[in-house]
Amino acid sequence: DGGITQSPKYLFRKEGQNVTLSCEQNLNHDAMYWYRQDPGQGLRLIYYSQIVNDFQKGDIAEGYSVSREKKESFPLTVTSAQKNPTAFYLCASSPPGHKYEQYFGPGTRLTVT
Amino acid sequence: AQSVTQPDIHITVSEGASLELRCNYSYGATPYLFWYVQSPGQGLQLLLKYFSGDTLVQGIKGFEAEFKRSQSSFNLRKPSVHWSDAAEYFCAVGRNAGNNRKLIWGLGTSLAVNP
Repeated sequence: DGGITQSPKYLFRKEGQNVTLSCEQNLNHDAMYWYRQDPGQGLRLIYYSQIVNDFQKGDIAEGYSVSREKKESFPLTVTSAQKNPTAFYLCASSPPGHKYEQYFGPGTRLTVT
Repeated sequence: AQSVTQPDIHITVSEGASLELRCNYSYGATPYLFWYVQSPGQGLQLLLKYFSGDTLVQGIKGFEAEFKRSQSSFNLRKPSVHWSDAAEYFCAVGRNAGNNRKLIWGLGTSLAVNP
């Protein structure tokens, strides 16, 4: 079955450590996105990538980094520079020719203590 | 600036009652509009979308939405709510930033369903 997978579902880290969240899709989608979700704040765009080897900062990119070496994969690294990393992280992808339409993975809840 | 407003943060309805969730947008051109649903701890699922044409669009799970340009609204409706509809609902509008296409999101409406 085609879809978007995010792993792990729950992730725990100590403050000061970098952590990488996985996002993989087998839908042959070109565009991929990372969002952060906090209670009452909706979805905020962290980074997005329209094609392989290219990505752009979203609205809240500080403290995060990404790579897009393969079409299927768009990992997000939460660095120690991110002041409030505890959140629910959602990955999405968008098929070519479908205007703005995005499909989401199940999310990863990151807790940093 | 483009924006999406969902005026109701939280709504409670009784099972079997009708539902309307409000969404207002600010956008100069013809908008691309979406409604998504999110169950607790899960990803978002696309309910329906409007690009052009018939202003009343049908979606999954018995939902529909009506685009009203004069009111800059895209309200989501369901004639009879089921307990399984309890979730968070998000309205979004497409934003064209050069060659990059992104969504602007409302803050969501949390729906509770009383038995």
